[in-house]
Amino acid sequence: EIQLLESGGGLVQPGGSLRLSCTASGSAFNTYAMTWVRQGPGKGLEWVSEMSGSGGRTGYADSVKGRFTISRDNSKNTLYLQMSSLRAEDTATYYCAQYFQGSFYYGMDVWGQGTTVTVSS
Amino acid sequence: DMQMTQSPSSLSASVGDRVAITCRASQSISNYLNWYQQKPGKAPKLLIYEASRLRSGVPSRFSGSGSGTDFTFTITGLQPDDFATYYCQQSSSAPRTFGQGTRVDIK
Repeated sequence: EIQLLESGGGLVQPGGSLRLSCTASGSAFNTYAMTWVRQGPGKGLEWVSEMSGSGGRTGYADSVKGRFTISRDNSKNTLYLQMSSLRAEDTATYYCAQYFQGSFYYGMDVWGQGTTVTVSS
Repeated sequence: DMQMTQSPSSLSASVGDRVAITCRASQSISNYLNWYQQKPGKAPKLLIYEASRLRSGVPSRFSGSGSGTDFTFTITGLQPDDFATYYCQQSSSAPRTFGQGTRVDIK
């Protein structure tokens, strides 16, 4: 079964940048659409961004559009989230997840353990 | 953007109870509605996709129904392992928004 491992979280000052990575074990990574979902402390789930398996299609939440960029390197089985102009409200645990059966329409069936981003001076 | 309104925000129930959670979309999403379970400190777990399709390995006491804008998630015969927070999510279009969550705790 595929496993996802996020990394790159940490403490960053407001206005700063950070890049998250999500590395997948197993094969056929390039056939799966992937997503980033975040959860602020004590809060609910917030969908952040997604990318198709080929990388040709992306989507962003309004709250991060223009500040975050999703990308992937299928040769490395890795998904990225480049975050810039970070704000206090971006503080959260960030999960990467794989769409069920590779389709945007079926929800996410494989999740990483999450990586924590704290934006504070 | 699509808004998902989930209710109630919390409920208390006993083992063996039947529990129902509703989710309403601000516009029609056909049957592109998913339900997740999340326990404290853990990643969410997909239980139901396409409104009513049970993911393999998920107990049959979990069920979902609805289409268009109104959806219901039901647990029939609540078990101790089911005390958790549940989220709906629309997957019709990006941004694929979640509901606010429903915390199910022990009465």
